[in-house]
Amino acid sequence: AQTVTQSQPEMSVQEAETVTLSCTYDTSESDYYLFWYKQPPSRQMILVIRQEAYKQQNATENRFSVNFQKAAKSFSLKISDSQLGDAAMYFCALSYMTTDSWGKLQFGAGTQVVVTP
Amino acid sequence: DADVTQTPRNRITKTGKRIMLECSQTKGHDRMYWYRQDPGLGLRLIYYSFDVKDINKGEISDGYSVSRQAQAKFSLSLESAIPNQTALYFCAIATDTDTQYFGPGTRLTVL
Repeated sequence: AQTVTQSQPEMSVQEAETVTLSCTYDTSESDYYLFWYKQPPSRQMILVIRQEAYKQQNATENRFSVNFQKAAKSFSLKISDSQLGDAAMYFCALSYMTTDSWGKLQFGAGTQVVVTP
Repeated sequence: DADVTQTPRNRITKTGKRIMLECSQTKGHDRMYWYRQDPGLGLRLIYYSFDVKDINKGEISDGYSVSRQAQAKFSLSLESAIPNQTALYFCAIATDTDTQYFGPGTRLTVL
């Protein structure tokens, strides 16, 4: 069974600073996708960044970047130049396409990011 | 943005009532999913569908049923609602790059 673990229930960061969120996962598949989603108080689930496991290059999206360590099964998210609007719950998620999973997302429990002025 | 809409956005109902949550998408994606979110548990998959004739149970399908009325519409029903089905429900679609985009969610309260 695949599992996704986020060990940090909450992280606090000052505006303009950098914060890194941890995520580890377990899967026996060799081809899979990893995602970070953001859920602000509006409760909308918003895609932040996506990583394909076969790609060695770490994905980046503006101020968001990941550190993907496939051998260690680690997928951390770095938020640079933090802004007040980054305050949200962040979920790490894993998916892969097989006859029994069909791309369903397996989520971690989430990390609450608090941004202080 | 996959233009996924959900109705209603909020609903309060009583134990034993039947309720339907609706999901629509405008971009013609084949794969649609229903998830449930409970505090501290992340999101868990209830049902998924790959086309009108292909519907599959997820990890927590008991007490729920679904209908894929058309490619664009995927509805979730609670035949007889119970209080532990109080949760936030999300519909999602998957693009051809296997990326899922979510609707705005429905907050359901069962009294």
